Amino acid sequence: QPVLTQSSSASGSLGSSVKLTCTLSSGHSSYIIAWHQQQPGKAPRCLMKLESSGSYNKGSGVPDRFSGSSSGADRYLTISNLQSEDEADYYCETWGSNTRVFGGGTKLTVL
Amino acid sequence: QVQLQQWGAGLLKPSETLALTCAVYGGSFSGYYWSWIRQPPGKGLEWIGEINHSGYSNYNTSLKSRVTISVDSSKNQFSLKLSSATAADTAVYYCARRDCIGGICYHHDYWGQGTLVTVSS
Repeated sequence: QPVLTQSSSASGSLGSSVKLTCTLSSGHSSYIIAWHQQQPGKAPRCLMKLESSGSYNKGSGVPDRFSGSSSGADRYLTISNLQSEDEADYYCETWGSNTRVFGGGTKLTVL
Repeated sequence: QVQLQQWGAGLLKPSETLALTCAVYGGSFSGYYWSWIRQPPGKGLEWIGEINHSGYSNYNTSLKSRVTISVDSSKNQFSLKLSSATAADTAVYYCARRDCIGGICYHHDYWGQGTLVTVSS
């Protein structure tokens, strides 16, 4: 079954860009993932589904500042023009035949 | 717009059974899988299990012996029961929809508001 690895923390200045990484375990580099944002005290919100090709489909209402890309087993979430409301935990998700898996999450701090 | 609204008891004693229900408003109920996911305080997300409108279910193997997920398609609702609760089951519990297209299911695209369940004597 797949395993997802994320850095525990990241930071970026207001107005800058940041790139978060989610790495799929060996043998699972072709898997589709999804990115979720969880603002403090709120439920997660789906940002996008991201394929191994780098093609992505964003959820309803997700700002253009959010984009996705892929390279090998790595899946990326890039946030441009960082805003204060982007300070949140970001989780990646994937799925196997009978399991659904989340990464450990990255806490993004906006400086 | 799809909305998931959940409810259930927020405080349990050890050994009691956790019970939550989630109602789905807007969109189709059939053709999707409906999940329960939990998040212990300060920690990450853990998938508990899922069910479709016909009652076909999948469970996280680590919780399978204690979990039952059921569905009432006539009400567009699904429910979670977790037996023999301990302090380790203290978490915010979320219901969520898995996006399915043409019979292939993907990620969770809509989430409920979450319910904090505390297990304490």
